[in-house]
Amino acid sequence: SQQGEEDPQALSIQEGENATMNCSYKTSINNLQWYRQNSGRGLVHLILIRSNEREKHSGRLRVTLDTSKKSSSLLITASRAADTASYFCATDVVGSGNTGKLIFGQGTTLQVKP
Amino acid sequence: SQTIHQWPATLVQPVGSPLSLECTVEGTSNPNLYWYRQAAGRGLQLLFYSVGIGQISSEVPQNLSASRPQDRQFILSSKKLLLSDSGFYLCAWSQLAGGEQFFGPGTRLTVL
Repeated sequence: SQQGEEDPQALSIQEGENATMNCSYKTSINNLQWYRQNSGRGLVHLILIRSNEREKHSGRLRVTLDTSKKSSSLLITASRAADTASYFCATDVVGSGNTGKLIFGQGTTLQVKP
Repeated sequence: SQTIHQWPATLVQPVGSPLSLECTVEGTSNPNLYWYRQAAGRGLQLLFYSVGIGQISSEVPQNLSASRPQDRQFILSSKKLLLSDSGFYLCAWSQLAGGEQFFGPGTRLTVL
């Protein structure tokens, strides 16, 4: 099964509301990353949180990491219609060496209604 | 600054035909390179990765192959396409092992 699993699969909110997406994983990680994908486009890196970090902020994004529960959450505050996209978590698993391989979750599709 | 190119952007091919998708990176040297496939509405499946010229690792058994003839060029190929090869193919690079990956715009492949 997938290393990263996100929930919810789909989320629909009104502009101005906050959006929270969760990611769970199974094995020990070096870091966890969040990416965004607009429909039909490539992925864009949003934020990276290392295994020894618990929380990280970037603009309207807040990411938390709980290694004891093997879970992470992405919070987007004061959402905008332009935040409509799919969001993926990806893990750099311990033991991947110099490959740089990431394991991606199935993603959460966020729709922000104007 | 670094950029990554993929072409073609879209491709429609008959079953049994060959395939060649190309990915090139500019502005960096000795990157790690990756090929992913994304089914509609799903996450990314890592197909191949490369840590250097001529070094290719396959993640899943499949009808596809990859090559890295130059430092910043990564090619995805097939001798005979199957219907199940349809999907959105993404190339990515990273400079640091486990660091952020930078994605190309993708190729939408439809096999009929």
